[in-house]
Amino acid sequence: SQTIHQWPATLVQPVGSPLSLECTVEGTSNPNLYWYRQAAGRGLQLLFYSVGIGQISSEVPQNLSASRPQDRQFILSSKKLLLSDSGFYLCALSWSSGTDTQYFGPGTRLTVL
Amino acid sequence: QKEVEQNSGPLSVPEGAIASLNCTYSDRGSQSFFWYRQYSGKSPELIMSIYSNGDKEDGRFTAQLNKASQYVSLLIRDSQPSDSATYLCAVNRGGGSNYKLTFGKGTLLTVNP
Repeated sequence: SQTIHQWPATLVQPVGSPLSLECTVEGTSNPNLYWYRQAAGRGLQLLFYSVGIGQISSEVPQNLSASRPQDRQFILSSKKLLLSDSGFYLCALSWSSGTDTQYFGPGTRLTVL
Repeated sequence: QKEVEQNSGPLSVPEGAIASLNCTYSDRGSQSFFWYRQYSGKSPELIMSIYSNGDKEDGRFTAQLNKASQYVSLLIRDSQPSDSATYLCAVNRGGGSNYKLTFGKGTLLTVNP
């Protein structure tokens, strides 16, 4: 079965600082990968998804970006964090063929001060 | 605006009772439906998926789908205190190989011993 790793688990960053969150996957090849954000009191918001290396689709305009340098690696970045970037960031995967079920990693809790 | 609506709760039931969680969706073309459980501070974990009208049972959980009325529900039989969590409904709004889910904000369930 597949395993999703995310790090760091928690992060406290000042406003205006850069951000890099990493997601890596084991146990499957060529997955679809997703970045979600869950802000306090709000639902899960899809930020980016990727169907392959270098292929990124953005769902919501924002100061975040994503990259997929390897098949099983998905990175979320920002050049300058805003207070509104605080939240719980979740990486998810689905298999590229067959079921559309998504499985979530453990998440990174980001606090921007 | 394609949306997924859930009663935010909290829904409180006694131990051993049946908990009923409901979800409505606005996109009539939706094809896949998912229930996730999210414990406080943790990432969502998949409970079950449903694709066809009717009931689908998995242990103490039963998902019910009615596409004509655009609602999906989750029944939890013999509720246990360990079932206390937020339950997220998700709906597939994508197509092809890009499976994008829209999530409701979740219903908080509390099972009282």
